[in-house]
Amino acid sequence: GESVGLHLPTLSVQEGDNSIINCAYSNSASDYFIWYKQESGKGPQFIIDIRSNMDKRQGQRVTVLLNKTVKHLSLQIAATQPGDSAVYFCAENNNAGNMLTFGGGTRLMVKP
Amino acid sequence: EAGVAQSPRYKIIEKRQSVAFWCNPISGHATLYWYQQILGQGPKLLIQFQNNGVVDDSQLPKDRFSAERLKGVDSTLKIQPAKLEDSAVYLCASSFPTGNYYSSYEQYFGPGTRLTVT
Repeated sequence: GESVGLHLPTLSVQEGDNSIINCAYSNSASDYFIWYKQESGKGPQFIIDIRSNMDKRQGQRVTVLLNKTVKHLSLQIAATQPGDSAVYFCAENNNAGNMLTFGGGTRLMVKP
Repeated sequence: EAGVAQSPRYKIIEKRQSVAFWCNPISGHATLYWYQQILGQGPKLLIQFQNNGVVDDSQLPKDRFSAERLKGVDSTLKIQPAKLEDSAVYLCASSFPTGNYYSSYEQYFGPGTRLTVT
């Protein structure tokens, strides 16, 4: 079936470097995408979202890029900090109300 | 603003026993969701409520799982009888349909209940 997935299960970066987390989706009808951050023992926390009529959206230290041609989504974190260590999930709206389909997650580890 | 509250935070039961989880969404949030998150995976939607009505429960194993939101606020999720494969974190989330199509998808998650079935 159609699903959202991630290329890399674990990403290790040096503190201060930029991080890029990737996500592939297969449902061409999806029109909304969200990145969530989940720390150990906590629920997912909203980071940033983007609609399909955009190809880039920026937040504080984070940027989401959407490439609809290849159905690819990425999250860029600038100047990665130890507090950014977590599992990151992309999620897509499958054009059926408010329901989100989550990918498998990427663990980001920040080395001091 | 208080977040989504869930209890208990942890629960250990034996297979074939019953268990119930409770969720109190953010005040004013009409939409409530229950997710199952198996270790190492993303959350999977089990059921979605709009006020006290079910919007979607297509992925809820109805032979053993049930959920209700009688007064359109708090919700309970029950498993009876539990199986080993039900071991997971059960997340509750809520959202506020603002009429703004863009923001209506932002879901706020509680800390989850970690269930271990032995």
